[in-house]
Amino acid sequence: AQTVTQSQPEMSVQEAETVTLSCTYDTSESDYYLFWYKQPPSRQMILVIRQEAYKQQNATENRFSVNFQKAAKSFSLKISDSQLGDAAMYFCAYRSLDSNYQLIWGAGTKLIIKP
Amino acid sequence: NAGVTQTPKFRILKIGQSMTLQCTQDMNHNYMYWYRQDPGMGLKLIYYSVGAGITDKGEVPNGYNVSRSTTEDFPLRLELAAPSQTSVYFCASKGRWWAYEQYFGPGTRLTVT
Repeated sequence: AQTVTQSQPEMSVQEAETVTLSCTYDTSESDYYLFWYKQPPSRQMILVIRQEAYKQQNATENRFSVNFQKAAKSFSLKISDSQLGDAAMYFCAYRSLDSNYQLIWGAGTKLIIKP
Repeated sequence: NAGVTQTPKFRILKIGQSMTLQCTQDMNHNYMYWYRQDPGMGLKLIYYSVGAGITDKGEVPNGYNVSRSTTEDFPLRLELAAPSQTSVYFCASKGRWWAYEQYFGPGTRLTVT
């Protein structure tokens, strides 16, 4: 069975600086999807970025980018120019291609932005 | 566009009571999901549905039931509530099978005492 591990329960960063959140996963599959979701205090889960395992190029979305290391089974999220609105819980999630699209979730990392 | 809505937002139940958590989506999505999120944990899948009339168990289905009589609605039923069911419950939906993103509702915080 697949597992997702986020080893940093909490991270803090100064506003306008860069922070990297870590995620590792375990799978025997060769093709899959990985996601980062943001959960602000409002509790609503918001998709931040996704990565298809068959793509070597790292995904980017504006200030958010990933470092996908398939052999190492690592999927970190980099947030550049951190803003106060980035403060939230961040969850890493894995999705198998042939499941009924169930997401396997990490435990989350709380990101604190210092003004 | 309302997206995924859930009611109620908060609820306190006594042990042994029952209740239904409502979930509705207005995006004509086939796939719908129920998750629970315990403190300090990621989400765990309770039940999911791939279309009206079709439901299946997820990782933690015990103590819950679902039905899917319409595309829009996917209620979650708790029978004989137990303290272990204290959690935040999220409903989510997704369009086609190839679609990446699940759209989440705002959650229901349930306390069983």
